[in-house]
Amino acid sequence: ETGVTQSPTHLIKTRGQQVTLRCSSQSGHNTVSWYQQALGQGPQFIFQYYREEENGRGNFPPRFSGLQFPNYSSELNVNALELDDSALYLCATYWGGSIGNEQFFGPGTRLTVL
Amino acid sequence: DQQVKQNSPSLSVQEGRISILNCDYTNSMFDYFLWYKKYPAEGPTFLISISSIKDKNEDGRFTVFLNKSAKHLSLHIVPSQPGDSAVYFCAAVSSGNTGKLIFGQGTTLQVKP
Repeated sequence: ETGVTQSPTHLIKTRGQQVTLRCSSQSGHNTVSWYQQALGQGPQFIFQYYREEENGRGNFPPRFSGLQFPNYSSELNVNALELDDSALYLCATYWGGSIGNEQFFGPGTRLTVL
Repeated sequence: DQQVKQNSPSLSVQEGRISILNCDYTNSMFDYFLWYKKYPAEGPTFLISISSIKDKNEDGRFTVFLNKSAKHLSLHIVPSQPGDSAVYFCAAVSSGNTGKLIFGQGTTLQVKP
């Protein structure tokens, strides 16, 4: 148990729709990262939020956006869904600012785009 | 551009024997390397890490070795147990972007009783 929860567990959407995924942590970690894991691949970094501001972004288009709230919970929003967005979406929370700090992952949200 | 590679998709070992999982990287700017374990329907769980200034780190049955000149690291599990069966990811991070873990593709380890 990492104390990180994600909702929903599974989600089915159609192409062109919008989706919001949620992440929360019991630990009060001040930093959250989001990852996309396609089938058979390792997780790919989408972006990171530190104290409610985006603080680093991977190679993902602007239709992937996020929010971090004062209680450090977070949302990932994806607009104009494409078939290739079908993946497992993971969030990870940790204490930012120090390299090597362990990141605690949630169980993920499985998104299917039809 | 795959900066972290795990070239073996799967590995099968007998209970009690050693499991060796390998990982190669291309970016010499990486400062820290981590191994994560993932069971189905769960998120990755941190296993062990190593700083780039060290060549070995040990934690119980798990040892990670780092060969900087070869840009190679390996995870040794001794002795292997059936509960170790999972997908193992190596990941790397640089001090310039402490939150951005770069993951390999993963290796599925099966430990047979």
